Amino acid sequence: SQQGEEDPQALSIQEGENATMNCSYKTSINNLQWYRQNSGRGLVHLILIRSNEREKHSGRLRVTLDTSKKSSSLLITASRAADTASYFCATASNGNTGKLIFGQGTTLQVKP
Amino acid sequence: EAQVTQNPRYLITVTGKKLTVTCSQNMNHEYMSWYRQDPGLGLRQIYYSMNVEVTDKGDVPEGYKVSRKEKRNFPLILESPSPNQTSLYFCASRLRTGDSPLHFGNGTRLTVT
Repeated sequence: SQQGEEDPQALSIQEGENATMNCSYKTSINNLQWYRQNSGRGLVHLILIRSNEREKHSGRLRVTLDTSKKSSSLLITASRAADTASYFCATASNGNTGKLIFGQGTTLQVKP
Repeated sequence: EAQVTQNPRYLITVTGKKLTVTCSQNMNHEYMSWYRQDPGLGLRQIYYSMNVEVTDKGDVPEGYKVSRKEKRNFPLILESPSPNQTSLYFCASRLRTGDSPLHFGNGTRLTVT
């Protein structure tokens, strides 16, 4: 079952610009995570934000979480060509398994 | 280096020929999981394991088997592969706590003809 839905599905920007990706989900969560996937490779964890947090930073990444709207955004500032990848949000519901449900992803292209 | 290792990276097989995709992690993680990734369907969980000798079905377990006899290994078994199992498969692991990040292998691209 799909929980997270990313928007937009695809994004193309110039190097140096900021990229914003959004994620919406349906049920209550314990935490929300963002992952990056380079073409055909394994996903790499970027950042985790807990349900009681509103904003988190990691280097050029900024993640916000609005539990009242059931949405999150990932901002990549000063993008680089190496940021070209697919970005996925994943939600972990409450419960013992901590199962992650992934969205469909946003494909980001950063043009040099 | 901490990693999740999957083998093989690419596999082409024929319908009905049993195959195993291996997965090993060196981070002493309790939790391991298999996902398949298909265009338009995203990542879907096949099976997961909370610890040794404990396995549970994910969202799409039909046609797959797993075992967890050792903490580090979590092989995915296709007893009788069919063309609809053609996909990109990922193994992942993490610590037991639900807010630990998943570490992914580099994937196995399986084609069943």
